[in-house]
Amino acid sequence: GDSVTQMEGPVTLSEEAFLTINCTYTATGYPSLFWYVQYPGEGLQLLLKATKADDKGSNKGFEATYRKETTSFHLEKGSVQVSDSAVYFCALSPPPGSTLTFGKGTMLLVSP
Amino acid sequence: EPEVTQTPSHQVTQMGQEVILRCVPISNHLYFYWYRQILGQKVEFLVSFYNNEISEKSEIFDDQFSVERPDGSNFTLKIRSTKLEDSAMYFCASISDSILSYEQYFGPGTRLTVT
Repeated sequence: GDSVTQMEGPVTLSEEAFLTINCTYTATGYPSLFWYVQYPGEGLQLLLKATKADDKGSNKGFEATYRKETTSFHLEKGSVQVSDSAVYFCALSPPPGSTLTFGKGTMLLVSP
Repeated sequence: EPEVTQTPSHQVTQMGQEVILRCVPISNHLYFYWYRQILGQKVEFLVSFYNNEISEKSEIFDDQFSVERPDGSNFTLKIRSTKLEDSAMYFCASISDSILSYEQYFGPGTRLTVT
């Protein structure tokens, strides 16, 4: 079945450091790929998405590119802020809007 | 901005008891979902619901679970006889149209602790 693998956390960075959170997936066909973020005490929020190969999703300075050849969707940000501290979930769904398959989540801690 | 709400935020119950987790999806949304996350593990799909019936369910969603949309606004998850392994964070989500929309809107979750 479909699966998503994320790097283990927590990832601890200083403010303004470069962030990469790795995500790889296994799926049949051409899934849509997502990054969700969960701030403390809140629900899951969609951060960005990509629906086909080579698409780049971006939002709030975060980017991820749908790489079909490496089945990856790594999350990057050039300069993190303390306010980016949260848990980040990589996810996929076969057709858009159908059930989501999540990774385990990666906690990001950014210190001033 | 409209949001999905869930109550209670934390529920503690004894093994064998019934619990009902409540969700109010965004008002014009048509598809509803329950997911759960056992501590330290991945978020797992439980069930999806459309047009007053279950459209898809996972292996986790066995006979002890049921869902209902009793009054056109609430969407509930009932666990009939809770087990220790049901302890988890339960998330409700909704989407306006699964064909055209990509984003599932999630609630803040209910933490269920079974003792």
